[in-house]
Amino acid sequence: DAGVIQSPRHEVTEMGQEVTLRCKLISGHNSLFWYRQTMMRGLELLIYFNNNVPIDDSGMPEDRFSAKMPNASFSTLKIQPSEPRDSAVYFCASSSGAGFLSSYEQYFGPGTRLTVT
Amino acid sequence: RKEVEQDPGPFNVPEGATVAFNCTYSNSASQSFFWYRQDCRKEPKLLMSVYSSGNEDGRFTAQLNRASQYISLLIRDSKLSDSATYLCVVNGWSISNSGYALNFGKGTSLLVTP
Repeated sequence: DAGVIQSPRHEVTEMGQEVTLRCKLISGHNSLFWYRQTMMRGLELLIYFNNNVPIDDSGMPEDRFSAKMPNASFSTLKIQPSEPRDSAVYFCASSSGAGFLSSYEQYFGPGTRLTVT
Repeated sequence: RKEVEQDPGPFNVPEGATVAFNCTYSNSASQSFFWYRQDCRKEPKLLMSVYSSGNEDGRFTAQLNRASQYISLLIRDSKLSDSATYLCVVNGWSISNSGYALNFGKGTSLLVTP
């Protein structure tokens, strides 16, 4: 079975440009999580969806970040406009069950390494 | 104070050694606990859940101390392939997020040498 799929794997862009990261969940999973990882701050949760509904977006840094889940298996994370401090590895993870309200394992995608110059 | 704290290491140990990592968490209402493993430039993967009574999976033993709010991971007979970063993960009600949250520690780096 395919795991969580993320694209692109690498993205290099200039400051001010729009960046769109994509994620496809594991079939049958109903919770999706977007994380950002940097050396300084570690792994940070940005937003969490359960059954396509955003449950907690308190980790989204600011209005430049937005996330959508147009259907049960796909999500996008958009940064507009991008800034150098957004450079990080962005992971998408999926889970079955009720997400945070359960102890279900989260399966991570391979990540998108974003560099904003 | 961070929700989950770990010693970043690195822990450098010879092959065959026993090594232990600790992790402390600040939220006494936390409910679920995990250890994840992350290889260099790869995604985190679940290593094992941590149960109240402690649990073992082969060479790996996880323990939970709710009173002191810490979790430990013990690796026996370490292998070269155990070299990775080990992330402590705590699931529970988050005051800062005003909701449930899965909080990751920054990880402890382990290097097993020949």
